[in-house]
Amino acid sequence: GAVVSQHPSRVICKSGTSVKIECRSLDFQATTMFWYRQFPKQSLMLMATSNEGSKATYEQGVEKDKFLINHASLTLSTLTVTSAHPEDSSFYICSARPGGPGDTQYFGPGTRLTVL
Amino acid sequence: SQQGEEDPQALSIQEGENATMNCSYKTSINNLQWYRQNSGRGLVHLILIRSNEREKHSGRLRVTLDTSKKSSSLLITASRAADTASYFCASTQGGSEKLVFGKGTKLTVNP
Repeated sequence: GAVVSQHPSRVICKSGTSVKIECRSLDFQATTMFWYRQFPKQSLMLMATSNEGSKATYEQGVEKDKFLINHASLTLSTLTVTSAHPEDSSFYICSARPGGPGDTQYFGPGTRLTVL
Repeated sequence: SQQGEEDPQALSIQEGENATMNCSYKTSINNLQWYRQNSGRGLVHLILIRSNEREKHSGRLRVTLDTSKKSSSLLITASRAADTASYFCASTQGGSEKLVFGKGTKLTVNP
């Protein structure tokens, strides 16, 4: 149980285009989902917290107009990287939490974004 | 800023040996979790230990928590080549739901 999927697993796009990444909780409902970014050989950094039916809460330094988050249902959150640039190339990982604060977060397999 | 700090940053051992990784943090926590990440993959949740717990076991894993020293350790016994991965500690604090990750320990288990 507690499986989280991400799609796509890899994406290569041209500079200036937008890319949408989906995060789904497959066997549980998640009121809260989280989006992280991970640079090579580094740890995960939280980008935003996504709550179903409300606006996402972004971490300091994360541009909300560039990284659009939609959490339309209890099993799906999407991250759209708008007008992508090479510096946006990274590994993006989502997580979903079935319970309240302090409960375990279950992570997706990640999406490798490469912007040319 | 990253709260958890793991040490060592990298650890290389032989199959069958035990691996111990440590994590320190700076503020009071609600719980502390350990995750494993294989190269280029997502995170796998290993174990959660609450602030009022001191030790927890799961299979070959043993986690300890010392809140007075603000530190935790992850012990993997009888390691296997398949245990090769990066291991991260992460914690939540106060009423925050944010999970703050440490920098991780890269473990290599040589066959």
